[in-house]
Amino acid sequence: EAQVTQNPRYLITVTGKKLTVTCSQNMNHEYMSWYRQDPGLGLRQIYYSMNVEVTDKGDVPEGYKVSRKEKRNFPLILESPSPNQTSLYFCASSPQRTFGTQYFGPGTRLTVL
Amino acid sequence: GNSVTQMEGPVTLSEEAFLTINCTYTATGYPSLFWYVQYPGEGLQLLLKATKADDKGSNKGFEATYRKETTSFHLEKGSVQVSDSAVYFCALSDRSTDKLIFGTGTRLQVFP
Repeated sequence: EAQVTQNPRYLITVTGKKLTVTCSQNMNHEYMSWYRQDPGLGLRQIYYSMNVEVTDKGDVPEGYKVSRKEKRNFPLILESPSPNQTSLYFCASSPQRTFGTQYFGPGTRLTVL
Repeated sequence: GNSVTQMEGPVTLSEEAFLTINCTYTATGYPSLFWYVQYPGEGLQLLLKATKADDKGSNKGFEATYRKETTSFHLEKGSVQVSDSAVYFCALSDRSTDKLIFGTGTRLQVFP
C-alpha cells in the first residue's frame, strides 16, 4: 500500500530533551516536506526537500532540523524542544514538480512541557 | 506575497443541505489551486484541484471552479452527508518557491 508513515503518533516530552520524529514514504517520491498545524493558523511549512541531500527552509524553520540521506526517509529533529513547539506535525511527499499534489502522513501530536 | 483566505468556521449543516465554503487567493503568476480534506484523526487528503483559469475540479460530489477574475476557488456540494464532516483546506502551489500555501481551514459539521 502506498503510504507515508510517521512515528511516533503521540509524544509528550519535556523542555530541552532532544527528539526525532521519523517520516518514511514508499512511493519513491523526490519531494518531501514537514508542516505544523496550529489552531487558527492552518498548516505552515517547516522544511522541505527536493531530493536526497537537498533540503531548504520553509516558513517556520527555527528550532528544527532535518536530513535527507535516503530518498524514502525525512526525519524531523528538535534539538532542544520548547513549549511553543507543541503542535500537530505532518510529513508529506510528492513526485518531483507536482508538489501541489501531496500525500500526507497521519500526523504526530507533540506536547512539550 | 502569496496567500489563501478561507471563510471562518465552523459551518454547521443538516444532511442533504447545499454547501459552499469560500476561498480567495492572492498570487503572482498562475498558481494551481487545491482543496484538501482532513477527517478526524487523520492526515490531509487531496480532494480536488484545478491547474488553470476556468478549470473545474470535482471529486466525491464536490466541485470548485478556478476563477481568475475574482481570484476565487469556492468549494461546493449539492447535498452533504454526515460523513462529509471534516476540516477543509484551500491551498495554492507557488511555483517560484516550490511551496504549497494553505488557508487556515474550515470545519464542516453535518448533522442527521
